Amino acid sequence: EPEVTQTPSHQVTQMGQEVILRCVPISNHLYFYWYRQILGQKVEFLVSFYNNEISEKSEIFDDQFSVERPDGSNFTLKIRSTKLEDSAMYFCASTKLGPNEKLFFGSGTQLSVL
Amino acid sequence: AQSVTQPDIHITVSEGASLELRCNYSYGATPYLFWYVQSPGQGLQLLLKYFSGDTLVQGIKGFEAEFKRSQSSFNLRKPSVHWSDAAEYFCAVAPNNAGNMLTFGGGTRLMVKP
Repeated sequence: EPEVTQTPSHQVTQMGQEVILRCVPISNHLYFYWYRQILGQKVEFLVSFYNNEISEKSEIFDDQFSVERPDGSNFTLKIRSTKLEDSAMYFCASTKLGPNEKLFFGSGTQLSVL
Repeated sequence: AQSVTQPDIHITVSEGASLELRCNYSYGATPYLFWYVQSPGQGLQLLLKYFSGDTLVQGIKGFEAEFKRSQSSFNLRKPSVHWSDAAEYFCAVAPNNAGNMLTFGGGTRLMVKP
């Protein structure tokens, strides 16, 4: 089965630093998503992205966050000035045709903010 | 706002025994309903989903789930558990006009005794 790839699997950063989490969605997919899971808490929706625009975003996705599809294969999540509470597992996901299609998740990037 | 409750944080069953994982949701209308599984170091994998129609849904790996509107429940079942089923299981809901803006439950960790 095709896979969504996330790199790195674990990233450590200092508070206040910018961090970019990288994802390579499945090649013919058109809809992209970021979710996160803080340790011990539920998986939470952050943002959906289609046609080079944000489709939906949650309250968590404030001005510190941005997403980009810089080329035909990568989908990135940038956190401009990381806070301790940004420490979480970040999952990228993609679907082929639309919001009701099966979501394929990557294995996640564990972000640790020190 | 929608919410999902998985009452059991941990469940341990013997290999070969039957399994039922509970999920209750709160939502104004009938949402889309999902079960995901996460093995260590892996992403979230879709087991099954309910959008409409037959309330008993068959999924991968021998799992099934039954939507009961009167109980706002979507419990996951398997008649005979295998050791490889040990993982964390997440129930999720989404609005039926935004099927990938998922709200997740807190998860149930399944352990399988030999």
